[in-house]
Amino acid sequence: DAGITQSPRHKVTETGTPVTLRCHQTENHRYMYWYRQDPGHGLRLIHYSYGVKDTDKGEVSDGYSVSRSKTEDFLLTLESATSSQTSVYFCAISEPFDRGTNTQYFGPGTRLTVL
Amino acid sequence: KQEVTQIPAALSVPEGENLVLNCSFTDSAIYNLQWFRQDPGKGLTSLLLIQSSQREQTSGRLNASLDKSSGRSTLYIAASQPGDSATYLCAVEDGETSGSRLTFGEGTQLTVNP
Repeated sequence: DAGITQSPRHKVTETGTPVTLRCHQTENHRYMYWYRQDPGHGLRLIHYSYGVKDTDKGEVSDGYSVSRSKTEDFLLTLESATSSQTSVYFCAISEPFDRGTNTQYFGPGTRLTVL
Repeated sequence: KQEVTQIPAALSVPEGENLVLNCSFTDSAIYNLQWFRQDPGKGLTSLLLIQSSQREQTSGRLNASLDKSSGRSTLYIAASQPGDSATYLCAVEDGETSGSRLTFGEGTQLTVNP
């Protein structure tokens, strides 16, 4: 298994509070991603990073921010959590040698509940 | 915008049966297509990646095919076992998106009954 950990694994918080989720990798992969998974929507990309301090928005980035100060860590922050952000969040990594061989490896997920 | 559809949404089969899962995508300008497996409460595990220039990939009892021009892929599972029970997702990486991003289908939930 790829060396990807996510913390915390479970979190319950209240509406309006800030929340930070952490993804840590030991594979030295250049690309890192944050997805959310919801019934009826599948996995949707929130933000991704293609290097230290290089990030870009995904399909559902509103209400989320990210930071990557080291190759191994990618943080996802909900500045003011809302109930619509209740979801399971997955981190993924990849090292695309070329676009045709870009396999993504996923972490175990974080289940976030916003009350 | 790329859209990925998986049919059926759920499938229940007896052990030993050969089965086919289907995936379709709307934009054929893809770099690759990947099949993943997800067990309940777990992350995704990559099963097979088919590059746009390839027609199929095989791993053990799994065979994935790709028909890029028609926007279709199939995942064939031979001699199914109860341990194959999981949700199977397909995802495409296409030329419209930058940064090696994937568009996922919603998955097919497979149950293999002993």
